[in-house]
Order: sequence, then C-alpha cells, then structure tokens
Amino acid sequence: ILNVEQSPQSLHVQEGDSTNFTCSFPSSNFYALHWYRWETAKSPEALFVMTLNGDEKKKGRISATLNTKEGYSYLYIKGSQPEDSATYLCASYQAGTALIFGKGTTLSVSS
Amino acid sequence: KAGVTQTPRYLIKTRGQQVTLSCSPISGHRSVSWYQQTPGQGLQFLFEYFSETQRNKGNFPGRFSGRQFSNSRSEMNVSTLELGDSALYLCASSVTGTELFGYTFGSGTRLTVV
Repeated sequence: ILNVEQSPQSLHVQEGDSTNFTCSFPSSNFYALHWYRWETAKSPEALFVMTLNGDEKKKGRISATLNTKEGYSYLYIKGSQPEDSATYLCASYQAGTALIFGKGTTLSVSS
Repeated sequence: KAGVTQTPRYLIKTRGQQVTLSCSPISGHRSVSWYQQTPGQGLQFLFEYFSETQRNKGNFPGRFSGRQFSNSRSEMNVSTLELGDSALYLCASSVTGTELFGYTFGSGTRLTVV
C-alpha cells in the first residue's frame, strides 16, 4: 500500500489570509489525485479529481495544481473565510491499487 | 437524488462479538469502498468492491470481511471484535470505480467496542 503524505498537519490562519497545503504521492503508475474537504460532523466532499501532469482545477477561491512527474499536488485557498475551516484530504490512485488517503491538513480560520 | 446511506449510524458492541455494517450506494454507482478512521489516523483503506467482486484489500486482519450484492449494496463484517476496532467506518461509492470520478461518502457508522 503506497504512502500519501500531507503537510502541514494543521494550520491556523486569520480571515482573509491565503494559504496552501501540500500532498506528496508516489509518482510511479500514477492514475489520479483527489482532493476532499471534510467538515466536522459531515462526510468528506470531493473538491477536485486531477489526472494529467500540469493539471490545474479551480472552484471559487480554492484551486489545485498537480505535478505527476515529481509526485506532488498543492491546494490553494485565496482569502480564507471561517467557513473554509475543515480537514482537507488528498488521495492518490496508482494503477491497479485503490484510492489511498493522506492523513489530511486541518485548517482553522479565525474571524 | 439519494446519497450514500450507511446503517446503523451508531453501534456499541462487546469485545468478542461480531458486527455487520451496511452501505447503500448512490443509484447507478457500482463501486463501493470501505475506510476506517481512528483518532490521529487518516482514512485507512479496508476494501473495494466493484460489480460484486472484491478488487482490492487493505492491510487489515482476516477478521474484517465484506461483500457486495447484485444491487451494489455492500456489507462489511468484523468478527471477534477488539477494543482497537472502535472507529468511524465510512463507505464511499463511485460511478465506475476507475477513480476518475470523485467518491461520494456516506455519513459513517461510529462503532464503539467495550
């Protein structure tokens, strides 16, 4: 089972700050990279699915980039709001395996 | 459109007992994956089913088993429960299981073993 690493483990920012998280994964046999947002007392919710090297996705103030050759992805949040407080999970799928999750980055945004 | 339904939501069992958890995926989704979440750990992969066949299995002991029915509903069974099995168990469904589509998660079953 492959290792998916996320950093930092937790992050506390002020409202209006922009922030980013890192997800690293094995670059061999790469197939897809997922990002999810998991709010307290809710279920994880899919943000992005990326497959191509250089892929960039955007949803509102949240965007993500993917580098499959070096095995990393960044998630960016522009102008953080308190409602962005959640745990952000990335998950990697290598061909022939399963969707494996990192431990997540917990973001707390203060107003 | 109904989401992923997991039952029961909460469960308390005694060590040594067995338990069965159920997951009904979104209509039309043929892939169901199961994950375990314990404090300090991420989502640990248990197994994945696609069209009634187990495609992948994580590093869990044989006490953990599952199956998928022809209507794509899935069950997970844990026999001879241990205290360490206390966790949130999440299932997720996807359209084809090719991981090109995001997973839709259920609300989870919170299992407490005493």
